[in-house]
Amino acid sequence: GAGVSQTPSNKVTEKGKYVELRCDPISGHTALYWYRQSLGQGPEFLIYFQGTGAADDSGLPNDRFFAVRPEGSVSTLKIQRTERGDSAVYLCASSAPAGGGVSLSYNEQFFGPGTRLTVL
Amino acid sequence: AQRVTQPEKLLSVFKGAPVELKCNYSYSGSPELFWYVQYSRQRLQLLLRHISRESIKGFTADLNKGETSFHLKKPFAQEEDSAMYYCALSGYNFNKFYFGSGTKLNVKP
Repeated sequence: GAGVSQTPSNKVTEKGKYVELRCDPISGHTALYWYRQSLGQGPEFLIYFQGTGAADDSGLPNDRFFAVRPEGSVSTLKIQRTERGDSAVYLCASSAPAGGGVSLSYNEQFFGPGTRLTVL
Repeated sequence: AQRVTQPEKLLSVFKGAPVELKCNYSYSGSPELFWYVQYSRQRLQLLLRHISRESIKGFTADLNKGETSFHLKKPFAQEEDSAMYYCALSGYNFNKFYFGSGTKLNVKP
């Protein structure tokens, strides 16, 4: 089947504007992650969803950033009052349900192609 | 604080030479360690993870808790190994991942 998709692939906006970035995970994947990757850096964790709920949003840099996943599938990352420093590639990844039992087992993250956001 | 350090931004080797990409980490608990790879114009993908102790595409990585390292090694580099390599760690519940800044491996013919 199809992999993780992200739209748009490129987004150019002006400082102060609002943007939405969309992620379509692999069907059936309950875990979804958002990352931000600045030039020359590795991915920086933003938020993790397990189903519809944000299990860990400690990576969101400030309250201008918000993400939702209302039906446990598609997720939208929303950035208000964009700043030039928000320019980066925003990556989404999804993974299958963790293993059962006492300990969680890791299921591979599958990454999308990213959305390149440029704030002028 | 949790941190992953990849000291080399660029590593150039000749085809057939051994290669070692360094990764050191700082983590307060018991980490899960991974290597990810991104080939030119492709998506980021998992290469290997320490817990599975696999050899993928000839690459291996050993977790050294004493030295807090997870270096990636391959005895004989191939041109198709040229890519960006990222070391990453997570806690036991895989809620959050920390990535290093990456090392670009260039294998010359």
